[in-house]
Amino acid sequence: AQSVSQHNHHVILSEAASLELGCNYSYGGTVNLFWYVQYPGQHLQLLLKYFSGDPLVKGIKGFEAEFIKSKFSFNLRKPSVQWSDTAEYFCAVNPSGGYNKLIFGAGTRLAVHP
Amino acid sequence: GAVVSQHPSWVICKSGTSVKIECRSLDFQATTMFWYRQFPKQSLMLMATSNEGSKATYEQGVEKDKFLINHASLTLSTLTVTSAHPEDSSFYICSARDAGGGTNEQFFGPGTRLTVL
Repeated sequence: AQSVSQHNHHVILSEAASLELGCNYSYGGTVNLFWYVQYPGQHLQLLLKYFSGDPLVKGIKGFEAEFIKSKFSFNLRKPSVQWSDTAEYFCAVNPSGGYNKLIFGAGTRLAVHP
Repeated sequence: GAVVSQHPSWVICKSGTSVKIECRSLDFQATTMFWYRQFPKQSLMLMATSNEGSKATYEQGVEKDKFLINHASLTLSTLTVTSAHPEDSSFYICSARDAGGGTNEQFFGPGTRLTVL
């Protein structure tokens, strides 16, 4: 079945550690890819998106993601996390292009300890 | 800019009653809004796409007669859970697409927690 998979459900890191959250999808054809973040008690916010072009995408707050088409992956990275990065992170895929319906992964809950 | 609000933020109702949830785009016009449902510790599942001035498009498995969607204006979509039952208890989140912004980005509301007793 077509789906979006996030491999890590819970991640615990110390400040300054590097972060990589995995995301794989099973949709064929053209896809648009997104990472959203949900800070405690807040609504979902867009971190970054990939439509086309350079597969290495830079987003807000020092986050980046790399689209690897051959691996159907769109992993999120940050070289040095901060306590304020504690949040839940969702990978999402738009199979049909544009900002139409989004299919979300299960989410990864990140806790950063000072 | 690009703020989406939902009202109420939480609601408790008795089984068998109907509950209406509003989703508003505060500073932009949204021809398309989306309704999601999120169970505890699970991801967002798209329920339906709401198009201004036309019928909503429901995802497979979502009962359109139970989850009534109305998108009567470019800034307001409503979701009515009819004859609610405890299994309808969930977190309902809407998003709105800013078609006029050039990027068609979706902006999410803060969600509405529904508890059916």
